[in-house]
Amino acid sequence: GQQVMQIPQYQHVQEGEDFTTYCNSSTTLSNIQWYKQRPGGHPVFLIQLVKSGEVKKQKRLTFQFGEAKKNSSLHITATQTTDVGTYFCAGLPGAGSYQLTFGKGTKLSVIP
Amino acid sequence: NAGVTQTPKFQVLKTGQSMTLQCAQDMNHEYMSWYRQDPGMGLRLIHYSVGAGITDQGEVPNGYNVSRSTTEDFPLRLLSAAPSQTSVYFCATRTSGYNEQFFGPGTRLTVL
Repeated sequence: GQQVMQIPQYQHVQEGEDFTTYCNSSTTLSNIQWYKQRPGGHPVFLIQLVKSGEVKKQKRLTFQFGEAKKNSSLHITATQTTDVGTYFCAGLPGAGSYQLTFGKGTKLSVIP
Repeated sequence: NAGVTQTPKFQVLKTGQSMTLQCAQDMNHEYMSWYRQDPGMGLRLIHYSVGAGITDQGEVPNGYNVSRSTTEDFPLRLLSAAPSQTSVYFCATRTSGYNEQFFGPGTRLTVL
């Protein structure tokens, strides 16, 4: 079955440093989504990428979808304590498919 | 609007007991799903439904039953709880036209 690998599992950064998490799928994806889960909370949708090579920005967050639609990344510039949480990628294998496969997540800690 | 609600928030069961986790939504979303989240494992799909009367298995369906008699409700049943079912359970919904998933607050289940 489809597998979505996400690295690193943990990342500790000093406030103000940048942060990147990477996601790789064993199969080509129709789209990829990113979610953020605060400690003790539930996953919250951040963004969806659909097109090959797509880049989207949300303030300090930059999301990329690879040309082959098998990998993606989330980059946070100048981290803040409010960025703390676990970031998950989730891939859909094909249009119309419901089986969203989540990566195991990257837990981000920000040291003030 | 309440969005996606889940009850109970916490539950402790003994091995062999049965229980139902409730999920309700007031967004008129066609798609509903159940995930379990275990440390370091990300979110794994248990069962999902694309509409009232239609359900299907996800990645880890064993030990769980679901039904969908109305658009609003999607209960998850554990017929005979096992310690391996200790987890945090999330219900999620989305519309058929877009892939953003809305998660409920979760149920933390412990099976002794």
